Amino acid sequence: GQSLEQPSEVTAVEGAIVQINCTYQTSGFYGLSWYQQHDGGAPTFLSYNGLDGLEETGRFSSFLSRSDSYGYLLLQELQMKDSASYFCAVHNQGGKLIFGQGTELSVKP
Amino acid sequence: GAVVSQHPSWVICKSGTSVKIECRSLDFQATTMFWYRQFPKQSLMLMATSNEGSKATYEQGVEKDKFLINHASLTLSTLTVTSAHPEDSSFYICSAPDWGGRGDTQYFGPGTRLTVL
Repeated sequence: GQSLEQPSEVTAVEGAIVQINCTYQTSGFYGLSWYQQHDGGAPTFLSYNGLDGLEETGRFSSFLSRSDSYGYLLLQELQMKDSASYFCAVHNQGGKLIFGQGTELSVKP
Repeated sequence: GAVVSQHPSWVICKSGTSVKIECRSLDFQATTMFWYRQFPKQSLMLMATSNEGSKATYEQGVEKDKFLINHASLTLSTLTVTSAHPEDSSFYICSAPDWGGRGDTQYFGPGTRLTVL
């Protein structure tokens, strides 16, 4: 079967840095994406890693180690608006996305 | 970035009726679209892959006769929930990869919230 593990919830304060880890066990791995979802909204794309290493996009960075079946999303200079659910998702053959259970991030003042 | 729309954004229906949800790619062609379902506080679960010009492929455990998918054109896929029941109440979301652009990015529609009474 396929499974992705990520923490269910994380709490941090404004201005801090938080890392959300994701470990996966899947077949046909083509890459790892991260999505943000606010309550009642649709997922919005944050980052993609197809190869090992770090991808940086503004305050957000994502890392992948294929040999360890592990990735993380790093959020810097946290803002209140970053409070949301964050999902890692494995890319399967044909473009299918298999999502993790999501990490609920709460940013406190 | 590419835009995917869904209609309706929410719908309330009586048990036993059928509901059709549309998913459109507005500025790119989508030969493939995906349909997801999300229950409150849960993850997105892939239901099926919608293929233009051929039958949809369903994930294990998803009833193809209950969730009818039609990929009518290169920009439109529809999901019909037939004989809906309260347990079908959920957030239904479609997505489409823009293979012409950065193929690793999928664009999600805004979702359709279905409530079955």
